[in-house]
Amino acid sequence: QLHLQESGPGLVKPSETLSLTCTVSGGSISSSSYYWGWIRQPPGKGLEWIGSIYYNGGTYDNPSLKSRVTISVDTSKNQFSLKLSSVTAADTAVYFCARQAYDGSGYSFDYWGQGTLVTVSS
Amino acid sequence: QSALTQPASVSGSPGQSITISCTGTNSDVGSNNLVSWYQQHPGKAPKLMIYGGSKRPSGVSTRFSGSKSGNTASLTVSGLQAEDEADYYCCSFAGSGTWVFGGGTKLTVL
Repeated sequence: QLHLQESGPGLVKPSETLSLTCTVSGGSISSSSYYWGWIRQPPGKGLEWIGSIYYNGGTYDNPSLKSRVTISVDTSKNQFSLKLSSVTAADTAVYFCARQAYDGSGYSFDYWGQGTLVTVSS
Repeated sequence: QSALTQPASVSGSPGQSITISCTGTNSDVGSNNLVSWYQQHPGKAPKLMIYGGSKRPSGVSTRFSGSKSGNTASLTVSGLQAEDEADYYCCSFAGSGTWVFGGGTKLTVL
């Protein structure tokens, strides 16, 4: 059974960089059938797609985050990571990592981590 | 990139059917059949309920179905059960490798 687990600091200061890692177990991150994504959810609000990465390092990210996003992959550790720079209080959210599986026509988020709350505060 | 539009809340009695709409544009919902739907219980991670507009993953009840007309996708839950009470989110491919979620709908089972 595939398992995804987010890890990283739960508190980040304004203007600093948020860094999270997602560790994948029970399957290989190097499979050509999947993308690996980051999604966030501010307290009491809806889901927002942040970005996704392929095992070869190809990435896509949400243009509304204005190039603050860096997503990377480490296939040797079966992990992928998120960096979000210049954070403000608006970046306070539960951050989820998830697998995007090719479903015959497109990709859907079929496995999710439990999520980790990151608070931006001084 | 704007969020897809969903009603804030819907409700129904046990055994009834409800439909949640998800309205986008010609650039996302209307341009493809790549809408997925997710169920989220409080404090939990979202769960995939529908993909490819109308397909159900293995293990998801047949009471859940999806459809699309023009720029609006819909999720129908038939034979409502207490366990269906949750938040529901749609998600669509928005072109150029990007994805957009709806604002979410709270389903209340009366």
